[in-house]
Amino acid sequence: KQEVTQIPAALSVPEGENLVLNCSFTDSAIYNLQWFRQDPGKGLTSLLLIQSSQREQTSGRLNASLDKSSGRSTLYIAASQPGDSATYLCAVKDGNNRLAFGKGNQVVVIP
Amino acid sequence: GAGVSQSPSNKVTEKGKDVELRCDPISGHTALYWYRQSLGQGLEFLIYFQGNSAPDKSGLPSDRFSAERTGGSVSTLTIQRTQQEDSAVYLCASGLRQGNMNTEAFFGQGTRLTVV
Repeated sequence: KQEVTQIPAALSVPEGENLVLNCSFTDSAIYNLQWFRQDPGKGLTSLLLIQSSQREQTSGRLNASLDKSSGRSTLYIAASQPGDSATYLCAVKDGNNRLAFGKGNQVVVIP
Repeated sequence: GAGVSQSPSNKVTEKGKDVELRCDPISGHTALYWYRQSLGQGLEFLIYFQGNSAPDKSGLPSDRFSAERTGGSVSTLTIQRTQQEDSAVYLCASGLRQGNMNTEAFFGQGTRLTVV
């Protein structure tokens, strides 16, 4: 069974600092990896999708890397802003089209 | 609509009652997922529909849970004889199929179910 772990569970950073969020997974036979953002009481917003054949994806201040062989992905958020405060979820898709989620990185950006 | 729509957004029900949760996926998306998010827990896979294929029900926690997808579009998740441990946010997602796999998943806002 795929296990997804996100470290750290929670972190606070001052505004302007770069954020580094880590995701690890136990089974490297994944189809893709997706990073989501979840605000309190809300659904999930897709941020970045990385196919298994890709090494990274970028969107604005966000960059996600994927090292499938070692079972790791990292989400970088440059020059953090208070509006980046949220929970960030990592999910990997297996060969049965199921998404396995980590428990998230809860981020607070302090103005 | 532009995104995945779920209704109701909130539902409070008495223990032992049945509830139905609805999901309208993005138009044209053939894949539809239901997940459950309990307080302090990660997202738990419940069921997956793909086109007209038999659904993957391997995540349903008990026989009190069932789901249908009519006409390959709208889906309804039914929980019979609700228990307090069923209290959670129920999230629906849809996606497109590419070859044998589905691509990006898009989630709705969820239904918050509270069983009292």
